[in-house]
Formats: sequence, structure tokens, C-alpha cells
Amino acid sequence: QQPVQSPQAVILREGEDAVINCSSSKALYSVHWYRQKHGEAPVFLMILLKGGEQKGHEKISASFNEKKQQSSLYLTASQLSYSGTYFCGTEEGHYGNNRLAFGKGNQVVVIP
Amino acid sequence: GAGVSQSPSNKVTEKGKDVELRCDPISGHTALYWYRQSLGQGLEFLIYFQGNSAPDKSGLPSDRFSAERTGGSVSTLTIQRTQQEDSAVYLCASSLWRGGNNEQFFGPGTRLTVL
Repeated sequence: QQPVQSPQAVILREGEDAVINCSSSKALYSVHWYRQKHGEAPVFLMILLKGGEQKGHEKISASFNEKKQQSSLYLTASQLSYSGTYFCGTEEGHYGNNRLAFGKGNQVVVIP
Repeated sequence: GAGVSQSPSNKVTEKGKDVELRCDPISGHTALYWYRQSLGQGLEFLIYFQGNSAPDKSGLPSDRFSAERTGGSVSTLTIQRTQQEDSAVYLCASSLWRGGNNEQFFGPGTRLTVL
């Protein structure tokens, strides 16, 4: 089931903070975050696993609320390089099913 | 190789023709995934392989789509009798697949245009 991402688009100035969200109606095993720049392939940012383990990018943090099936990605002190479309991919099931359902993305634009 | 590679990078074909898209995953990656991305849309899961087996083919849009993987490495996605709605970027990804910690590395994609 496709997760819902919000807000659809965010415009912020360099140095500002933003939060983007991903929610599912299904019980989740893991949440993945990827960033895609125009004309390029998606690039891995973060995996959040049920139980609290995280693996990912040093300067971008995220949270995963298993009970609410929600994840948030925190863009802190944003840089111009943070611009792009952020996709969350959710893996369902108690043990995972190795299949990611991606949302439609959050478009982030960082301006000087 | 250093990363996931896909060929061709661009493919223009006429409606009704068959096309074959190729993916070379990162060496040693056991899992391989195919996605489709239409303009301005998210990533639509098509199929994934664990080794040469495809445990989940439920994302394939129709029986015109098929995929295979040989030698645990190269994969081909075949679309028969292409339709205009098949136009999209087809992305391949691979991962080591360590349980749920399956960071996926994406290739540059094949942009398919069906006239």
C-alpha cells in the first residue's frame, strides 16, 4: 500500500529547518528514505527499522513511530544541496517482505 | 562494477513493438529490483529477484511485462507489444539484502518513450 507523504512541497531558505512526513495504514517493518535530484537516480539517505535501529546520513535525522506507522525526516540547517524530491519507501509486515512501496514524494527547494 | 548500470539509457519505440531493458547490479548483491517512474510520480514497484528467483511478481502491470535474471547477476525486463502508457523511466536497484537492512542502490534508469 502506497504511503502518504506530506507536505507535497516545501520551500525554505538556506539554514532553515524543515520536517517532512510519511505515513502508512499498514503495520511497518522498516521505512527507507531516498532523495532524488532532477534527472538523476534516487540516492539512499536512511533506513529506520522496527525496534529503533537506524542507519543513514550523518546530517539528516529521522524518526519512526511504529505504533502510528509514521516516519518524519528532519532537515536541519538546510543547505542548497538538500534540494530535491524525497521519497519514503515502506516495508510492511512483522518480519518485512523485502518489497518497498514508495510515496509520491516531498519536493524540497532550498534557496539562498 | 562500481555501481548499478542500465542499458540503454534511452529507448524510443513504436507502439506494438517489443523492448528489452537490461540491468547490471553491483557485484555480489543478491537482491535486484525493478521500478517504474512516470513523470512527476513516485516509484512503482514492478518485481524483485532474490538470486535468480522472483518471489514477488505482483507489481508487474500486465502479462506483457516479464523479467528474468541469470547467474544471480544481470537482469532483463521485457515489455511486449508496447503501449503509450508504458512510457516512463524504468529504474533498477540492487542490494545486499541483510534481512530488513536492505539499502538499495539505484541505477541511472532507462527512459522509454512509446510513440
